[in-house]
Amino acid sequence: AQSVTQLDSQVPVFEEAPVELRCNYSSSVSVYLFWYVQYPNQGLQLLLKYLSGSTLVKGINGFEAEFNKSQTSFHLRKPSVHISDTAEYFCAVRGYNQGGKLIFGQGTELSVKP
Amino acid sequence: GAGVSQSPSNKVTEKGKDVELRCDPISGHTALYWYRQSLGQGLEFLIYFQGNSAPDKSGLPSDRFSAERTGGSVSTLTIQRTQQEDSAVYLCASSLRESPLHFGNGTRLTVT
Repeated sequence: AQSVTQLDSQVPVFEEAPVELRCNYSSSVSVYLFWYVQYPNQGLQLLLKYLSGSTLVKGINGFEAEFNKSQTSFHLRKPSVHISDTAEYFCAVRGYNQGGKLIFGQGTELSVKP
Repeated sequence: GAGVSQSPSNKVTEKGKDVELRCDPISGHTALYWYRQSLGQGLEFLIYFQGNSAPDKSGLPSDRFSAERTGGSVSTLTIQRTQQEDSAVYLCASSLRESPLHFGNGTRLTVT
């Protein structure tokens, strides 16, 4: 079984500041990792994913995440945020050979202020 | 192309009534998922259909919850004898085999 912990429920930052949203996971098997974003009053959309290969993955809107197997982490980063990045961000994990079912964290609400 | 469609977008029901929530996945997607999103609870997995295989029902919170997928396409999530704690946004997603999930906009269920 897998589980995901997002360490911060809310992250307030000022516009143009860097941000890191933390995600740790637990699994007895190898995993695929994902970040989804939910803008206000909208559905979830995929931000980026790690399946294999380079541990640094780049996604849409200038976000990137780094897979660290030894620390079982997949933190999301952006060097300079915009007001439009205000949204809820969800980290998710899927186990190898366990179908497509994703297990999500509880979400981190990113609030970007001018 | 068309995305995942859910109906209704909002549903208000009285405690004790049954409700049915509908999901139309993206055409050709073999996998369909239901999740529940409650305030401060993140996304809770409910059930997963993959092709003709038996569904993974491991996330259903009680026997009041059931789901079916007819003809490998449309799915209905049924909640019997609704309780106030069932109030949440119910999200449906679909995917092609194990590719990333595409989500609908959800059905907001309010039990009064």
